[in-house]
Amino acid sequence: EVQLVETGGGLVQPGGSLRLSCAASGFTFSFYWMTWVRQAPGKGLEWVATIKHDGSEKYYADSVRGRYTISRDNAKNSVSLQMSSLRAEDTAVYYCARDRGMSYYFDHWGQGSLVSVSS
Amino acid sequence: QSVLTQPPSVSGAPGQRVTISCTGGSSDIGAGFDVHWYQQLPGTAPKLLIYGNNNRPSGVPDRFSGSKSGTSASLAITGLQAEDEADYYCQSYDSSVSGSVFGGGTKLTVL
Repeated sequence: EVQLVETGGGLVQPGGSLRLSCAASGFTFSFYWMTWVRQAPGKGLEWVATIKHDGSEKYYADSVRGRYTISRDNAKNSVSLQMSSLRAEDTAVYYCARDRGMSYYFDHWGQGSLVSVSS
Repeated sequence: QSVLTQPPSVSGAPGQRVTISCTGGSSDIGAGFDVHWYQQLPGTAPKLLIYGNNNRPSGVPDRFSGSKSGTSASLAITGLQAEDEADYYCQSYDSSVSGSVFGGGTKLTVL
């Protein structure tokens, strides 16, 4: 069974940093692209970042480019999202999702991790 | 503002059929990229409902179907059930941003 478990969320002050991690199991992690999607309270889904299966390419939404860094450790079956210069508008539940690469869809999602940016 | 446009809400009585539209542009749906649909039940993570315009993952009832034409796509739900009450999101790829784009979501109410 595919499982994705996000950790690392919490309350952070504006301008601060936070690192989210997503532990994957139940599939050959190194074969799959991985993606982070976020959802602000009461709002819709927003694509944040994607990393290829081997980490060779990374893609970011304009809203986070230059502030967020996606990375992965295939030996540990995990993907991370390093977030810096956080703003109030970054407050959201962050989901990691298994990405079907060039088919561009997400077939399994984690339960989400809440990040709150507030003073 | 979302790149893909969905109606904010739709409703239907149990047993009825409803459709949810998703309209994009020339760099996403109109460029030939597939449309995918997700169901988000209250308080839960999104779940893949339809991929590749009209394909259902294992376990998704055949009451759910998708279609795509030109710059638009639709999700149809037949034989509405109370358990279908959820938010539904369309998603595609946008070559102008080299990333995925979502619709704003449609809240389905089963009357």
